[in-house]
Amino acid sequence: QQQVKQSPQSLIVQKGGISIINCAYENTAFDYFPWYQQFPGKGPALLIAIRPDVSEKKEGRFTISFNKSAKQFSLHIMDSQPGDSATYFCAASPHAGNNRKLIWGLGTSLAVNP
Amino acid sequence: DTGVSQDPRHKITKRGQNVTFRCDPISEHNRLYWYRQTLGQGPEFLTYFQNEAQLEKSRLLSDRFSAERPKGSFSTLEIQRTEQGDSAMYLCASSSGQEGTQYFGPGTRLTVL
Repeated sequence: QQQVKQSPQSLIVQKGGISIINCAYENTAFDYFPWYQQFPGKGPALLIAIRPDVSEKKEGRFTISFNKSAKQFSLHIMDSQPGDSATYFCAASPHAGNNRKLIWGLGTSLAVNP
Repeated sequence: DTGVSQDPRHKITKRGQNVTFRCDPISEHNRLYWYRQTLGQGPEFLTYFQNEAQLEKSRLLSDRFSAERPKGSFSTLEIQRTEQGDSAMYLCASSSGQEGTQYFGPGTRLTVL
């Protein structure tokens, strides 16, 4: 059973548009929610992360919105650019001592058309 | 470059052979993770080290898999008697501090023929 559910599986956006990717989780022990960007043949790179004590975090064109009661969080990419075309993963980490292993969604393949 | 490095980047092997991968974490990071990623999927946790101690192993890590971090610095992941189902990208990540942001290496792509 997928502990972190991510949608959509793929997304096509025009240059300058807003890309929105959603994730949902069930485990209330999760307390750290990062988003990673991955290009083909490369390892994931951290984009932005949030903890449940805030409802929104913004870094440049990337914003995470977090809804603790609904157990959902989303990534918004403003002014999407062709260079943003990549696979995006949401993840969650339970608070379990020092092991912060990440539980991942299945990914969203984003294509930004020029 | 002081990021996480992995070697080799690609490995092609025949079924039944043994393979070993190496991960060099960011130098001051005491935590090291191995994940496996198959095509079209998110990474799956395999194992975790804090310094030289292996503190958790996933059920995905069969007895053909072994990982070490002998001096709390670099780590190796060995797969014995490889099977075609082992074909995947093997990712290493390191972290430190309470927040534990994980920084990933470029991965080792394993193909078992």
